[in-house]
Amino acid sequence: NAGVTQTPKFQVLKTGQSMTLQCAQDMNHEYMSWYRQDPGMGLRLIHYSVGAGITDQGEVPNGYNVSRSTTEDFPLRLLSAAPSQTSVYFCAAGGRTDTQYFGPGTRLTVL
Amino acid sequence: LAKTTQPISMDSYEGQEVNITCSHNNIATNDYITWYQQFPSQGPRFIIQGYKTKVTNEVASLFIPADRKSSTLSLPRVSLSDTAVYYCLVGFTGTASKLTFGTGTRLQVTL
Repeated sequence: NAGVTQTPKFQVLKTGQSMTLQCAQDMNHEYMSWYRQDPGMGLRLIHYSVGAGITDQGEVPNGYNVSRSTTEDFPLRLLSAAPSQTSVYFCAAGGRTDTQYFGPGTRLTVL
Repeated sequence: LAKTTQPISMDSYEGQEVNITCSHNNIATNDYITWYQQFPSQGPRFIIQGYKTKVTNEVASLFIPADRKSSTLSLPRVSLSDTAVYYCLVGFTGTASKLTFGTGTRLQVTL
């Protein structure tokens, strides 16, 4: 039981490039979320999903897309990377009573 | 979404009890109160969750007064390894998961 896994662990992009951050969970949780955390700051919600085929925006959705075709996977796509998207990205999967399990994070740098 | 307010930072000596209070004046009837711990370069980790009165587990206690407009996380006999950021969240995932993290409380434990 791996919990929540994220790939890659580190990524460097050039401005304008696109990429997909992968997130997978093996706990069969309905709810999955993506957060970003800038240095010294709290986590900000990007997008979330309450089940396969259902996604919605969080606090800071601009520049990101998500999809949820299966219960297990919740990829985050950066459409055209910008330096302002340099951050650590965390994926989480949770149950009905708000206990969420976080992945180890992806550290992204956009040059 | 219920907004939470926590102290930005706290200091403690090893072996002391630490109490971190969170204010959530507009908590809704269905909302649970959840606390997370985050170490540098790691995703947040669930500590404890409650709805009312007192909850205790092997690492912490959570005190919630009758009006539920605040909650207090109590860490007994802290050690250096408890140095971390602690987040208070209020929400309910009955139909949607849109948890919002505040800036958290940075706890520094010293000898």
